[in-house]
Amino acid sequence: GAVVSQHPSWVICKSGTSVKIECRSLDFQATTMFWYRQFPKQSLMLMATSNEGSKATYEQGVEKDKFLINHASLTLSTLTVTSAHPEDSSFYICSARDRARGVDPLHFGNGTRLTVT
Amino acid sequence: GNSVTQMEGPVTLSEEAFLTINCTYTATGYPSLFWYVQYPGEGLQLLLKATKADDKGSNKGFEATYRKETTSFHLEKGSVQVSDSAVYFCALSVGYSTLTFGKGTMLLVSP
Repeated sequence: GAVVSQHPSWVICKSGTSVKIECRSLDFQATTMFWYRQFPKQSLMLMATSNEGSKATYEQGVEKDKFLINHASLTLSTLTVTSAHPEDSSFYICSARDRARGVDPLHFGNGTRLTVT
Repeated sequence: GNSVTQMEGPVTLSEEAFLTINCTYTATGYPSLFWYVQYPGEGLQLLLKATKADDKGSNKGFEATYRKETTSFHLEKGSVQVSDSAVYFCALSVGYSTLTFGKGTMLLVSP
């Protein structure tokens, strides 16, 4: 089945540094990838929609200069948290839609636990 | 807009008990409905789906029926196991849009 690989699975960084999270579709092409942030008590928040070859579309309230998204190929999207602060600590999850299967359900990565000290 | 409401947890059951997790939705357009499961420390996995009214999605003993008249997609399992302990998310999508999630329901199954 379709697999989405997310790396790293966890990362600890110091306040003020930047962290890059990768999301790869391993066996399918994904023209669109989505980035979510999961808050305590489980709720998922869509941060942005990453479109291959074009600028990402950010949800209201998400700072695009802080959460930089690049989708340079049909199999890779990256999320860079710039100048991270402790309040950015969270669980970040990416997902991708299989281009060949149209509206078939999204496939999710295993998430990245970011801790900013 | 689109929204999904699911029962708050945690839901605590003994092994072999019957499970129901309620989910209702509002949508502009004709949605597809999904249940995703998240095991501790992991991402989301698709559990089952239904794309039109009266469809029943099923997988691993879990079932949910797309009820257009009640705008519901309740998740059921006849006999839960300890390994079913996880967070369950009800979600919908309309066309090529991304998923709209409910807030998730934690299920805890004790031996």
